[in-house]
Amino acid sequence: EAGVTQFPSHSVIEKGQTVTLRCDPISGHDNLYWYRRVMGKEIKFLLHFVKESKQDESGMPNNRFLAERTGGTYSTLKVQPAELEDSGVYFCASSQEIQSYTEAFFGQGTRLTVV
Amino acid sequence: GNSVTQMEGPVTLSEEAFLTINCTYTATGYPSLFWYVQYPGEGLQLLLKATKADDKGSNKGFEATYRKETTSFHLEKGSVQVSDSAVYFCASGGGGGATNKLIFGTGTLLAVQP
Repeated sequence: EAGVTQFPSHSVIEKGQTVTLRCDPISGHDNLYWYRRVMGKEIKFLLHFVKESKQDESGMPNNRFLAERTGGTYSTLKVQPAELEDSGVYFCASSQEIQSYTEAFFGQGTRLTVV
Repeated sequence: GNSVTQMEGPVTLSEEAFLTINCTYTATGYPSLFWYVQYPGEGLQLLLKATKADDKGSNKGFEATYRKETTSFHLEKGSVQVSDSAVYFCASGGGGGATNKLIFGTGTLLAVQP
């Protein structure tokens, strides 16, 4: 069974440009999460989808970040316009159950560098 | 709010040395506790977990015990190998009234030398 896959693995963009990150969760997993690790600090929660609905988006840093999960399958995270402080590793995770806490499976991450 | 604090690295050990990476947490309710590991070039992998007080999680020779009285979940291994070199993240999740998100520590880089 395929795990959580993220694309691209690396992205280097200039300040002010737009970047879209993609996450394909494990098939059948209704829960999808985005996290970010900036500058070797802690991994921080960004948001949580249950199917196509945003369950919790309290970690989204500002309105330059837009996450979508149309159809409840894959998700995209768009940063527009990108700023230098957006550089970091963006992780996606998915888990199966909705009502109870279960193990989340993580992707390899997308390393975003804004120059 | 909830938080996780783990010892800063890097931690450099010789092969077969004993490893301890400290982790403490603050939380409302009773969260589950986790250790995740990120090997070079790979994604985060769950190493072990404990869901209630006094539970011991174990995997690949690593162990951690959920200590409610000291709010700790220290990671230990009796004899490390070069292949254990990675970044280790302590995390908490769930707990009464909380969402399903994970709260992570800053990560500890472990380098094991032959």
